[in-house]
Amino acid sequence: DGGITQSPKYLFRKEGQNVTLSCEQNLNHDAMYWYRQDPGQGLRLIYYSQIVNDFQKGDIAEGYSVSREKKESFPLTVTSAQKNPTAFYLCASSDIRDLAYNEQFFGPGTRLTVL
Amino acid sequence: AQRVTQPEKLLSVFKGAPVELKCNYSYSGSPELFWYVQYSRQRLQLLLRHISRESIKGFTADLNKGETSFHLKKPFAQEEDSAMYYCALSGRENFNKFYFGSGTKLNVKP
Repeated sequence: DGGITQSPKYLFRKEGQNVTLSCEQNLNHDAMYWYRQDPGQGLRLIYYSQIVNDFQKGDIAEGYSVSREKKESFPLTVTSAQKNPTAFYLCASSDIRDLAYNEQFFGPGTRLTVL
Repeated sequence: AQRVTQPEKLLSVFKGAPVELKCNYSYSGSPELFWYVQYSRQRLQLLLRHISRESIKGFTADLNKGETSFHLKKPFAQEEDSAMYYCALSGRENFNKFYFGSGTKLNVKP
C-alpha cells in the first residue's frame, strides 16, 4: 500500500523530552503538511512545506519544528516547549501542480501521549 | 480571517432519512471547498470538492457564495454513511493551505 506512512502509530513521551514523528510519502508530491487533531476542534495546521528546504508556519506552530531535507520526508519534532502535546497528529501531502483537483492525501496518524 | 464552521458536532438520523451536514465559511478571496470523510479505523479521505460538481456515494454539495455555505446532502442515508465529516477550505490565492472545520459525526441508525 503506497501513499503516506507515519510512524510510530503510538508514542509515549515524558514531560520535558523532545520527540520526532516520522512522515514519508511515495506519491511524488511537492507539498506536505502536519495537522493536529483534537476532539471537538477538528484539524489544525501546524506546519506545511511546498518544496524541499522550505516550510511555513501554520496556525499552531509554537512548540513544534520541522525539516524538509528530502521531497519524500517531512518529520515533525514536538519540543518540550509545546504546552499540551498530547494529541493525534496527521501528516498529509498534495500535488501542487494539480490545481483543478487539489486534494490532500492523509497518513494513518500518530497518537502522542505525554506522561 | 479564514474560517470554517460546522455547527453540529453530532447528527443522528435513521436509515433512509435525508441528511444535511452544514458548513459555513469565511474567506476573503476565491474559495475552494471540500468535504473529507473519516470512516471508523480508516484514514481521512476526500469525499467531494465543489469544483467537480459531482455526486459521490449519493452525496452532493453546492457552493453558495451568497450565504457562504457548502452544505453536504444526501436524500437517503445508509448505515455505511456513519462517519466523521470535515468541511475544508482552500483558495486560489494560496491553494496549498487548507482550513478545516471541527467536524460533524454522522450516526445513521438502522
